[in-house]
Amino acid sequence: RKEVEQDPGPFNVPEGATVAFNCTYSNSASQSFFWYRQDCRKEPKLLMSVYSSGNEDGRFTAQLNRASQYISLLIRDSKLSDSATYLCVVNTLYSGGGADGLTFGKGTHLIIQP
Amino acid sequence: GAVVSQHPSRVICKSGTSVKIECRSLDFQATTMFWYRQFPKQSLMLMATSNEGSKATYEQGVEKDKFLINHASLTLSTLTVTSAHPEDSSFYICSAAGRDSSNIYEQYFGPGTRLTVT
Repeated sequence: RKEVEQDPGPFNVPEGATVAFNCTYSNSASQSFFWYRQDCRKEPKLLMSVYSSGNEDGRFTAQLNRASQYISLLIRDSKLSDSATYLCVVNTLYSGGGADGLTFGKGTHLIIQP
Repeated sequence: GAVVSQHPSRVICKSGTSVKIECRSLDFQATTMFWYRQFPKQSLMLMATSNEGSKATYEQGVEKDKFLINHASLTLSTLTVTSAHPEDSSFYICSAAGRDSSNIYEQYFGPGTRLTVT
């Protein structure tokens, strides 16, 4: 089973619509969760961190469900500029206290259509 | 946020040659640097983790003698792809990580280096 799983899409969504992505992770010891955005041939950029209580940043809302081990991202009033690949990312700090590299999902490709 | 640079941004080399990629954190002391590789339409895959002044820890399946990593200072890490082959063609991204003055763990990505081996 893959550590972080996402539906690769593509999701073709009309401009102004609401779209939601889910992501599941397998390691219950995972500590931190993020959504990154990656544009074609560019490095990933942090979109938002995901907190247990859920968090909202403008049109973007992220939710975490630890019991079911999934993370969601909701985009409201989608814009053409939202077209990108959205990566679900999990960080697991092991008992040794050292940092571990982020584990990336394969990404969900979103296409906003005019 | 912190700025991480990579050089070169794009490199084309012949099969059998070696290529060095530099990763610098410009305003951030990176106690840990990570090297990732991304093949087309694939996710980023962690190659290795390096802490300043110590040997890198490589992920399973990544040849340490082929991908040489040096993390000599808190602001510089290098990845050398030795005896490159066409299958090494990929997008290589570094990431610098550390704790800020509030002890919050942060990780920042470089812009990536696109390597093409002919």
